[in-house]
Amino acid sequence: NAGVTQTPKFQVLKTGQSMTLQCAQDMNHEYMSWYRQDPGMGLRLIHYSVGAGITDQGEVPNGYNVSRSTTEDFPLRLLSAAPSQTSVYFCASRNRDSSSYEQYFGPGTRLTVT
Amino acid sequence: AQTVTQSQPEMSVQEAETVTLSCTYDTSESDYYLFWYKQPPSRQMILVIRQEAYKQQNATENRFSVNFQKAAKSFSLKISDSQLGDAAMYFCAGVFFSGGYNKLIFGAGTRLAVHP
Repeated sequence: NAGVTQTPKFQVLKTGQSMTLQCAQDMNHEYMSWYRQDPGMGLRLIHYSVGAGITDQGEVPNGYNVSRSTTEDFPLRLLSAAPSQTSVYFCASRNRDSSSYEQYFGPGTRLTVT
Repeated sequence: AQTVTQSQPEMSVQEAETVTLSCTYDTSESDYYLFWYKQPPSRQMILVIRQEAYKQQNATENRFSVNFQKAAKSFSLKISDSQLGDAAMYFCAGVFFSGGYNKLIFGAGTRLAVHP
């Protein structure tokens, strides 16, 4: 049981490049989310999904796209990278019926946009 | 809108001593969960402790306990007998039940240093 996995762990992009951050979970969780972590701001929700085929915007969605074709995978796409997207990105999942509301986090991806 | 506020960007404690990290929140909802997460240098987010709003008793997990003051909307974390491995960033977070998808809202974090 690998939990939540993210690839890559580190990435450097040039302004204007695009890329996809991968996220997968093997716990059969319905809910998945993407957060970005910036100094002094905690973690902020980018996009989330409540099941395959269903996604919605979080607090800071601009510049990012998501899709959810399977329960396991929830990739995050940067369409045209900007220096303001330099951050640490976390994917998380939880069971819809969990009474604890505990989210399980991946190890994070540190992205630098130059 | 719900908010979670941590007013201490940095704290420090001597090994074996006790330290308290502060957190306040704002919500009009009556039902919610509050959490403390630990983020060591490895970046992994680790759940430390959870408190349900309807429970009056403060949650405890080994050396970690909370002081939950519902009327004051305060949720502080006490770490007893601090260890070097407790050095990390600590995030206070909450899920406030308002229907639909209930988002986890984080505070800005408190960086805890533990001195030998």
